[in-house]
Amino acid sequence: AQKVTQAQTEISVVEKEDVTLDCVYETRDTTYYLFWYKQPPSGELVFLIRRNSFDEQNEISGRYSWNFQKSTSSFNFTITASQVVDSAVYFCALSEYTGANSKLTFGKGITLSVRP
Amino acid sequence: GAVVSQHPSWVICKSGTSVKIECRSLDFQATTMFWYRQFPKQSLMLMATSNEGSKATYEQGVEKDKFLINHASLTLSTLTVTSAHPEDSSFYICSARDWRQVTYGYTFGSGTRLTVV
Repeated sequence: AQKVTQAQTEISVVEKEDVTLDCVYETRDTTYYLFWYKQPPSGELVFLIRRNSFDEQNEISGRYSWNFQKSTSSFNFTITASQVVDSAVYFCALSEYTGANSKLTFGKGITLSVRP
Repeated sequence: GAVVSQHPSWVICKSGTSVKIECRSLDFQATTMFWYRQFPKQSLMLMATSNEGSKATYEQGVEKDKFLINHASLTLSTLTVTSAHPEDSSFYICSARDWRQVTYGYTFGSGTRLTVV
């Protein structure tokens, strides 16, 4: 069975600080996808990134970067120079490649508060 | 990009009544629809998975007679909460995907906040 662990529950930083959100996953499949979503107070889920299990390259998108390490089953997310607008709940999720009904399993989420 | 329209965004209903939530894929075909429930300060929990034209598959512990899912077309799925009770108050989110498009991810609706009074 697949599982996603986000051990951090709440993180509070001051604006402009860098912050890393951890994600550890478990799966028996060799083919799978990892995701990060942002959920602001309004509730909608904002897609941030999808990474397949064969692509271990780190990715950078503006102030966001992701570090995927299969050796430690981790897919960590770093926000550089955090801003107040980054305050939200962040979810890491895993999908095993099982075809039509591949479902997303979410971690418990990390509440990030960025103070001015 | 892919868009899923979910309505209503919020609803208040009386205990014992039924509420229907709709999710429409606007620019792609949703071969598979997932329905999630999220209680305050908790994660998203999958309730059921449905494929167009087929009966939904419910997760363990989810009452299929209480949460009726219809996925009659490739662009529309509905979740009906029947005989709602205060404990059904939650945030419900749908997620659609076209599994034939391997490059597609999961497109989420904006969610429905249900309050049962």
